[in-house]
Amino acid sequence: DAMVIQNPRYQVTQFGKPVTLSCSQTLNHNVMYWYQQKSSQAPKLLFHYYDKDFNNEADTPDNFQSRRPNTSFCFLDIRSPGLGDAAMYLCATSRGAGREAQYFGPGTRLTVL
Amino acid sequence: GQNIDQPTEMTATEGAIVQINCTYQTSGFNGLFWYQQHAGEAPTFLSYNVLDGLEEKGRFSSFLSRSKGYSYLLLKELQMKDSASYLCAVRDEIAAGNKLTFGGGTRVLVKP
Repeated sequence: DAMVIQNPRYQVTQFGKPVTLSCSQTLNHNVMYWYQQKSSQAPKLLFHYYDKDFNNEADTPDNFQSRRPNTSFCFLDIRSPGLGDAAMYLCATSRGAGREAQYFGPGTRLTVL
Repeated sequence: GQNIDQPTEMTATEGAIVQINCTYQTSGFNGLFWYQQHAGEAPTFLSYNVLDGLEEKGRFSSFLSRSKGYSYLLLKELQMKDSASYLCAVRDEIAAGNKLTFGGGTRVLVKP
């Protein structure tokens, strides 16, 4: 039944060691999003894909990259994690640009040692 | 730019009603969403308003006034499981995708 799946749920990495977070969806939605949410703060959009078109937020650091090899999968790569990158990373999907709700995955909590 | 304000925290009693207000000042507007988020979990969709007025869905209702840049989420017959953060989010008018800007969330604590 799971519609937006994120793996792993908990990820520990070392300072500066690259890490990849994974998101998959069974909804066949066109749009996939990555958000960063720090403790007690609002989710902050990092980037989104509309089909294969990548849209980066202006204030997303270069340290964060994303790949969407097909409709179902999207990856978040953090090239050199810093202590400030410790957060919950949420993947979300929506069907398109109309009156569509975004559906969130369970999130990956990233710890940077 | 986007500015979305909601109270940080509210406390209410089981069985009571709580109203969570959200005000927004945004460069564009194409709808307002409310999400519920339990601690350590992902946000789940509650409601959507794009036209002025009240949308009712069971125990939850959401209201929008576009001229005032104001929305509220009304939770009736509160249950202990309603203790969570409630996020107000405004959608930008953009050509592609569905960009949401979230408020900081209102943490609701339901007491017996």
